[in-house]
Amino acid sequence: EDQVTQSPEALRLQEGESSSLNCSYTVSGLRGLFWYRQDPGKGPEFLFTLYSAGEEKEKERLKATLTKKESFLHITAPKPEDSATYLCAVQAGGTYKYIFGTGTRLKVLA
Amino acid sequence: NAGVTQTPKFQVLKTGQSMTLQCAQDMNHEYMSWYRQDPGMGLRLIHYSVGAGITDQGEVPNGYNVSRSTTEDFPLRLLSAAPSQTSVYFCASSYSQDSYEQYFGPGTRLTVT
Repeated sequence: EDQVTQSPEALRLQEGESSSLNCSYTVSGLRGLFWYRQDPGKGPEFLFTLYSAGEEKEKERLKATLTKKESFLHITAPKPEDSATYLCAVQAGGTYKYIFGTGTRLKVLA
Repeated sequence: NAGVTQTPKFQVLKTGQSMTLQCAQDMNHEYMSWYRQDPGMGLRLIHYSVGAGITDQGEVPNGYNVSRSTTEDFPLRLLSAAPSQTSVYFCASSYSQDSYEQYFGPGTRLTVT
């Protein structure tokens, strides 16, 4: 069964304290792995797509990486405005469905 | 360019009532989908469509119907509302079914009493 697991469930960081969020997946052939950011009361907002192991993408303080079993979202020197829930999703081969993890709630303290 | 719009933003239903959640996109996207989001459960796919006239079931389709008569619109119908359908519903669209990023609407918060 295709599955996505995110850890930790919640993370509190001091401003400037770098860390990583994990997304491990079990799918029968990965078509794409996606990271989204969700602010309270809003819909998810797209961050990155990764398609193959070894691929990396960067945007401001965020960097996403992908291996054959997991993806990491690295946050470098976070700021309070980076506080949000970060969601990981995959699309498996042979299907047009997207499977989401339960997310990591990130709180960055000033 | 409004992106993905959803109406209503909030809705309260009594058990057994029916209603339609509206979703529209103005980006000429082929792929559209409906999710529900419950605390601790993440986003779960209800139904999706890869183009006008084509729909398929997701992970949690029971109690919901969809149709896609135009590229722009993808309404979600609750046939007979149940308290278990209390949730936040998100509509999303993407360029095609082939692993493109999804754009999400602002959501509809539904309470069934």
